[in-house]
Amino acid sequence: QVRLVESGGGVVQPGRSLRLSCAASGFTFSHYGMHWVRQAPGKGLEWVAVIWFGGTSENYLDSVKGRFTISGDDSKNTVFLQMDSLKAEDTAIYYCARKGPGFDLWGQGTLVTVSS
Amino acid sequence: DIQMTQSPSTLSASVGDRVAITCRASQSIDTWLAWYQQKPGKAPKLLIYKISSPESGVPSRFSGSGSGTEFTLTINNVQPDDFASYYCQQYNTYPWTFGQGTKVDVK
Repeated sequence: QVRLVESGGGVVQPGRSLRLSCAASGFTFSHYGMHWVRQAPGKGLEWVAVIWFGGTSENYLDSVKGRFTISGDDSKNTVFLQMDSLKAEDTAIYYCARKGPGFDLWGQGTLVTVSS
Repeated sequence: DIQMTQSPSTLSASVGDRVAITCRASQSIDTWLAWYQQKPGKAPKLLIYKISSPESGVPSRFSGSGSGTEFTLTINNVQPDDFASYYCQQYNTYPWTFGQGTKVDVK
């Protein structure tokens, strides 16, 4: 079955770190661009980061550049988002998504809450 | 950054109506525009890519059109399952950006 499953969300204090995981099944993630997209409570969608073809290139939203790092593990068919120096404005549901013709496959999302 | 502006923000419709959502880009995005549907508590679902190409399995009542900087998602014969939020997205230039969303609700 082709699917993405995110994990690793939770409640974290400002300034702390969290690592999200996105496990891919039914396809090889390194054959695609894999993205993280977030959605703050009651708000719209915001693209966050991409890793292409298992790590040949990456790109980030300016507001997370230098704080977030996207990476992949071929052996686990998993994409990660390391989030450091978290801020209250990073509070959101984080989705991973596969770039096919568009974002044709999404995970169910994992909630990150940054609060003291 | 390329700004994507959707209108209207909210649209009230009845079953059987034909509705249109507009998305304007702040600069040309070539053909790299997609549309997504999102229901409460769920991940977005791809409807249309490259302006007008339907994703597999998407009902034919959904169609996309436009060029350059102005694009439209049209829903013909709105069905009960179509009441949801809709987002456009450009994937021409990083950061890839979404419109603010259009909520289609029951009139």
